[in-house]
Amino acid sequence: DTGVSQDPRHKITKRGQNVTFRCDPISEHNRLYWYRQTLGQGPEFLTYFQNEAQLEKSRLLSDRFSAERPKGSFSTLEIQRTEQGDSAMYLCASSADYPETQYFGPGTRLLVL
Amino acid sequence: AQSVAQPEDQVNVAEGNPLTVKCTYSVSGNPYLFWYVQYPNRGLQFLLKYITGDNLVKGSYGFEAEFNKSQTSFHLKKPSALVSDSALYFCAPRDTGFQKLVFGTGTRLLVSP
Repeated sequence: DTGVSQDPRHKITKRGQNVTFRCDPISEHNRLYWYRQTLGQGPEFLTYFQNEAQLEKSRLLSDRFSAERPKGSFSTLEIQRTEQGDSAMYLCASSADYPETQYFGPGTRLLVL
Repeated sequence: AQSVAQPEDQVNVAEGNPLTVKCTYSVSGNPYLFWYVQYPNRGLQFLLKYITGDNLVKGSYGFEAEFNKSQTSFHLKKPSALVSDSALYFCAPRDTGFQKLVFGTGTRLLVSP
């Protein structure tokens, strides 16, 4: 399978715990994006990497959120001290420089109890 | 600032009939425009995009969309709907110079047999 993959697909955690999600982009894509989708809403942009550089970051990405892409390949999104409001689907997408179509992974569904 | 409006929360159409899902957008520069489809508990699948060129864009699964600059619209169309087209559809503009896609709440398409 050459699509975007995300792990885990589902995560249940207790409020206050830290969680980390992983995204593996399509292999030849150097751009990687994170979005969050809550129930009944469309995805909201969180952050964007070009290779290992984090170039755009939404104000939605509070201090409790951190994303990395250390070698320009896979990326991790960590949420510290989770809150119930963090419950959402976290989507990762990747694209090439051209064409710039973003291809999405299946998402990680987070439930904070 | 970028914004998007899909005025219909739901579109109902009978199988075999043509369908239209409406989208209007606002960007400050030249728009890149995308349509994605989302099936329950899944990520987003790319359908088609407009970057430049012909105003009528053809995409996956028989879908097409017409870019209208004066009306700032990018309506999604299909000549003959299938029951399997039933899903949530998102129009997502992207402003040149930025990487983030902006999503609205989407339009649910329901195709009845």
